[in-house]
Amino acid sequence: DGGITQSPKYLFRKEGQNVTLSCEQNLNHDAMYWYRQDPGQGLRLIYYSQIVNDFQKGDIAEGYSVSREKKESFPLTVTSAQKNPTAFYLCATKQGYNSPLHFGNGTRLTVT
Amino acid sequence: AQRVTQPEKLLSVFKGAPVELKCNYSYSGSPELFWYVQYSRQRLQLLLRHISRESIKGFTADLNKGETSFHLKKPFAQEEDSAMYYCALSGHSGGSNYKLTFGKGTLLTVNP
Repeated sequence: DGGITQSPKYLFRKEGQNVTLSCEQNLNHDAMYWYRQDPGQGLRLIYYSQIVNDFQKGDIAEGYSVSREKKESFPLTVTSAQKNPTAFYLCATKQGYNSPLHFGNGTRLTVT
Repeated sequence: AQRVTQPEKLLSVFKGAPVELKCNYSYSGSPELFWYVQYSRQRLQLLLRHISRESIKGFTADLNKGETSFHLKKPFAQEEDSAMYYCALSGHSGGSNYKLTFGKGTLLTVNP
């Protein structure tokens, strides 16, 4: 959807460095999500936020952190504690409980 | 805990043949089930959801609570159906109302 912007499209970092992935939305959706997509693993939930100033761990939150200070923004920080950070990261939003997810274009992070 | 299983990583059929992508779930409450699709070089997008009971692009899916399944079916596959398909589950329990869990995906290839 044009209303969800993930930047940058490609990101390269050295091992041991923290890196923050950006996700901005202008859809006025309450809920925002971060998923990680790996070949053969599908989408795995990292963190999600139902409202501003609140977020919950997903299934693979270790080594990641998030914040939700504004409704429009849900940045994801990949810390040096994440053992396998190289992956494709997807941000998504949702209007309400019964509505579908809308996905961004993703950020491919490569850590060497 | 909620879990989604897609037993087939790859599925290959010929054009005009019927296709069925399997999805089984594990959830103690009343789930909401979705199918998402990702065409080559496009964003992940919603294909259909069980509460809508609709047919999208000729695909249908029926929720079978007895068998805990939500298989995706199409009677006559087309080449443009070639894509990665993900089954997803959203639960109702407490603070996890917004948690969406995805399966590992099935890559469908429709051959001419």
